[in-house]
Amino acid sequence: AQSVTQPDIHITVSEGASLELRCNYSYGATPYLFWYVQSPGQGLQLLLKYFSGDTLVQGIKGFEAEFKRSQSSFNLRKPSVHWSDAAEYFCAVGARGKLIFGQGTELSVKP
Amino acid sequence: DAGVIQSPRHEVTEMGQEVTLRCKPISGHDYLFWYRQTMMRGLELLIYFNNNVPIDDSGMPEDRFSAKMPNASFSTLKIQPSEPRDSAVYFCASSYRDRGGYTFGSGTRLTVV
Repeated sequence: AQSVTQPDIHITVSEGASLELRCNYSYGATPYLFWYVQSPGQGLQLLLKYFSGDTLVQGIKGFEAEFKRSQSSFNLRKPSVHWSDAAEYFCAVGARGKLIFGQGTELSVKP
Repeated sequence: DAGVIQSPRHEVTEMGQEVTLRCKPISGHDYLFWYRQTMMRGLELLIYFNNNVPIDDSGMPEDRFSAKMPNASFSTLKIQPSEPRDSAVYFCASSYRDRGGYTFGSGTRLTVV
């Protein structure tokens, strides 16, 4: 069965520091992979997606993610975090038309 | 485009009452999804439609839940009768084809007292 694991429930980083959020997936075929961000009281906004091709994908707000098939991972990165990046981040895998989400990682940013 | 529009934004109802949540997908999108978000269970897919036809409703918790999509521009999720454990944020999302990149609505926060 398809599944997504985000090992870190909560991460705190200092403003200006780099960020990496981990995501591991389980899917038998070539996955479609996504990262979404959710600010408090808001819906989910798509940050980036991977379908095929270049394994390093660029997204909005300065985020990028790298697909590593050998590790079944799709980690999200940002070189320098801003206070406005504080939110919850969800990794998802697309499976036969539907999205399966991880449990999310809450990001806090220290001044 | 105005995006995916959900109504109401907030709903407070008493246990046993019928609740209807509404969703207008993005024009031209052929997939529509209903998700529920709670602290305990995270984001759960309840049901999704393709070209107005329900494809997978295995996530619908029980018979008290039903969803319809009478046309390409409107869908409803109904809970009858509602129970306190139904309290959650319900999201509607739509996409073009099945390659994801879903657009989510702002959600309906349902509180059943």
